[in-house]
Amino acid sequence: NAGVTQTPKFQVLKTGQSMTLQCAQDMNHNSMYWYRQDPGMGLRLIYYSASEGTTDKGEVPNGYNVSRLNKREFSLRLESAAPSQTSVYFCASSPQGQSYNEQFFGPGTRLTVL
Amino acid sequence: AQSVTQLDSQVPVFEEAPVELRCNYSSSVSVYLFWYVQYPNQGLQLLLKYLSGSTLVKGINGFEAEFNKSQTSFHLRKPSVHISDTAEYFCAVRTFQGAQKLVFGQGTRLTINP
Repeated sequence: NAGVTQTPKFQVLKTGQSMTLQCAQDMNHNSMYWYRQDPGMGLRLIYYSASEGTTDKGEVPNGYNVSRLNKREFSLRLESAAPSQTSVYFCASSPQGQSYNEQFFGPGTRLTVL
Repeated sequence: AQSVTQLDSQVPVFEEAPVELRCNYSSSVSVYLFWYVQYPNQGLQLLLKYLSGSTLVKGINGFEAEFNKSQTSFHLRKPSVHISDTAEYFCAVRTFQGAQKLVFGQGTRLTINP
């Protein structure tokens, strides 16, 4: 049982390049999330998917797109990377239906945009 | 909207000393409260959560937190810290209703000195 996995672990991009961050969970959770972590700002929600087939914007969605490919997988795409998107990105998942259920986090992807 | 303020960005303490990490929140509706820990180069994991009932909540690794509704606080405490407690700690809230989104504080970096 791997929990939440993310690929890649590290990535360096040039301004204007595109890339997709992959996330998968094997806990049969309905809800999945993408966060970014920046120093002194905690984690901020980029997009989330309450259930398969739905996605919604979070606090900082500009410059990103997401795809909920199936119940297991939730990808985050940067179409044209900018230096302001240099950050650590975390994917998380949780069961649906009970607001107090904890979120389970992946190990993160450290992205640098030059 | 909800917000979370962690009053200290860094807390240095000596090993075996007690520690308190402070968290205040703002919300117009009832919330669930969480503390997460992030060890170096890892994802976040749940320390403890307050859902209802007793205001003193016990978590993993000897941590506990007390919910104070009148002061809208949820401070984290440990009576005697260990070197292995060196990590970043995040306070988070989630509303009872609506989308299952966590709102995080800015984080507190706990450094344990021998």
